[in-house]
Amino acid sequence: AQTVTQSQPEMSVQEAETVTLSCTYDTSESDYYLFWYKQPPSRQMILVIRQEAYKQQNATENRFSVNFQKAAKSFSLKISDSQLGDAAMYFCAPFFGNEKLTFGTGTRLTIIP
Amino acid sequence: NAGVTQTPKFQVLKTGQSMTLQCAQDMNHEYMSWYRQDPGMGLRLIHYSVGAGITDQGEVPNGYNVSRSTTEDFPLRLLSAAPSQTSVYFCASSKGLAGVEQFFGPGTRLTVL
Repeated sequence: AQTVTQSQPEMSVQEAETVTLSCTYDTSESDYYLFWYKQPPSRQMILVIRQEAYKQQNATENRFSVNFQKAAKSFSLKISDSQLGDAAMYFCAPFFGNEKLTFGTGTRLTIIP
Repeated sequence: NAGVTQTPKFQVLKTGQSMTLQCAQDMNHEYMSWYRQDPGMGLRLIHYSVGAGITDQGEVPNGYNVSRSTTEDFPLRLLSAAPSQTSVYFCASSKGLAGVEQFFGPGTRLTVL
């Protein structure tokens, strides 16, 4: 079975500091894709970053970067210089090639001014 | 482009009533899907479609029906609403499947009394 685990239901970080959200998964696939989605209080789902499993280089999008460890099946999201607008639910969502995304249960991130 | 639109935004039903949640996209995306979001459970796939005339079941299909007669529209039908179907429903679309961003609608909050 393909599973996704986000072990941190809630996290908080001081504004301008760095925070890392963890995600682990289980799959027997060797080629897949990994996504982080953000859901602010507006409820809109927004893509934050994506990573191809065949790439060794970690993806980066401005203040957002990932630490992808394929052997450990780990895909954490690092947010640098945290801003108030980063407050949201964050979902890890792998695509294992079975025609669907699999979402984790989410991490609620609070930014402390 | 309007992106992915969903109607209604909110709905209250009584047990046993039926209704259709509407979803439309204007991006000529082949892939469309319906998710439900419940507290502490992330997003779970209900049904999806890889093109007009083709639909398939996701993780939690019971009690829901879909059809895809056009590329643009992918309605979700609740056949006989039950309190367990109280949830927030999201429609999403993407150009293809593997490794591509899914674009989400704003969601429909459904309450079944």
